[in-house]
Amino acid sequence: DVKVTQSSRYLVKRTGEKVFLECVQDMDHENMFWYRQDPGLGLRLIYFSYDVKMKEKGDIPEGYSVSREKKERFSLILESASTNQTSMYLCASSLAPSGYTFGSGTRLTVV
Amino acid sequence: RKEVEQDPGPFNVPEGATVAFNCTYSNSASQSFFWYRQDCRKEPKLLMSVYSSGNEDGRFTAQLNRASQYISLLIRDSKLSDSATYLCVVITSGNAGNMLTFGGGTRLMVKP
Repeated sequence: DVKVTQSSRYLVKRTGEKVFLECVQDMDHENMFWYRQDPGLGLRLIYFSYDVKMKEKGDIPEGYSVSREKKERFSLILESASTNQTSMYLCASSLAPSGYTFGSGTRLTVV
Repeated sequence: RKEVEQDPGPFNVPEGATVAFNCTYSNSASQSFFWYRQDCRKEPKLLMSVYSSGNEDGRFTAQLNRASQYISLLIRDSKLSDSATYLCVVITSGNAGNMLTFGGGTRLMVKP
């Protein structure tokens, strides 16, 4: 089974801090994605990557950046955390459209 | 209008009931469709793909209606363990490759 591992299950950060959310997959997938999930808004795509060093903006990239230096690792960066970035963050990995596998999520609280 | 819309529910049904959810999508060029299941405080997991001809997996049946641009999920003989949020997912080809769009999810609660 594909495993997608997110480094932290719960995080609490202060406003203005730089926050790194790490995601690692073990199946040599080209495609990786970062979503945030909020009540009433569903899953929204922040950024995605189809290859190493490649990134594309999703629907809500403002306030975020990403890094894909190695195929297995896709990092989401909050340059200066704000309270409206309090959310559940989900990383996903895929080889093909039908094979999306999600990590267990990181619940980030910005205070 | 949202690209992918679902009734958020909750749908409260007794054990053994049959329940159906619909999901509408706005982009007629969408190519692939899936249902995901998400348990409370867990990540979404693929439940089943949705094919034009319809597909069935045990108590679950998924169908696609391209003309009316909706997909459906039917659950027969509901179990308590079916309680979850069901997310429909639509994939559309774009300049940067395939784009995955999630519906907001429909919450199902199966009662004893």
